[in-house]
Amino acid sequence: GENVEQHPSTLSVQEGDSAVIKCTYSDSASNYFPWYKQELGKGPQLIIDIRSNVGEKKDQRIAVTLNKTAKHFSLHITETQPEDSAVYFCAASILTGGGNKLTFGTGTQLKVEL
Amino acid sequence: DTGVSQNPRHKITKRGQNVTFRCDPISEHNRLYWYRQTLGQGPEFLTYFQNEAQLEKSRLLSDRFSAERPKGSFSTLEIQRTEQGDSAMYLCASSLAGGQYQPQHFGDGTRLSIL
Repeated sequence: GENVEQHPSTLSVQEGDSAVIKCTYSDSASNYFPWYKQELGKGPQLIIDIRSNVGEKKDQRIAVTLNKTAKHFSLHITETQPEDSAVYFCAASILTGGGNKLTFGTGTQLKVEL
Repeated sequence: DTGVSQNPRHKITKRGQNVTFRCDPISEHNRLYWYRQTLGQGPEFLTYFQNEAQLEKSRLLSDRFSAERPKGSFSTLEIQRTEQGDSAMYLCASSLAGGQYQPQHFGDGTRLSIL
């Protein structure tokens, strides 16, 4: 089955700096890669996603890049703010006509310091 | 937009007891997923429904676990004869079906603690 690895496990940045989180996946059939943000005591919240027919996607301060050949994808957060502090999870899925179960990475604890 | 609702938010029980959790998906979402999340890990897929049909189950879902979605709306997840290893956050997600691009939206989970 699919295996997703995520690095780093913790990341501390100064407010206003950029943060980058990287993930690799094992199944070349995976074609959908969402990123979720999870705050303490809450469920994961979708923040951005990308399909394999696209190499990059941007939404305001958040961007995701995908390298299908190397089977890795990354989350970039620019101009970080204290409210960006949370655990971030990458995931991979094979979009089919059936259920699109997600395989998650182990998470990155992002801390934005003032 | 009421979002995905899960109840209870917390459940503490003794080993060997049965527990049941409920998930109410976003209205009109015909796909419903259950995941389990242990401390410091990402969510792991357990099972999913399309309408009332349970279409896939993970090997993580032992025979002590059963999930239902009787009318294609809310779903319940029951764990019988709970064990220490069942302590986790149980997350529910829902999505629309159809097409290839339907993001999953998660509830805030039920945290289960086994004494």
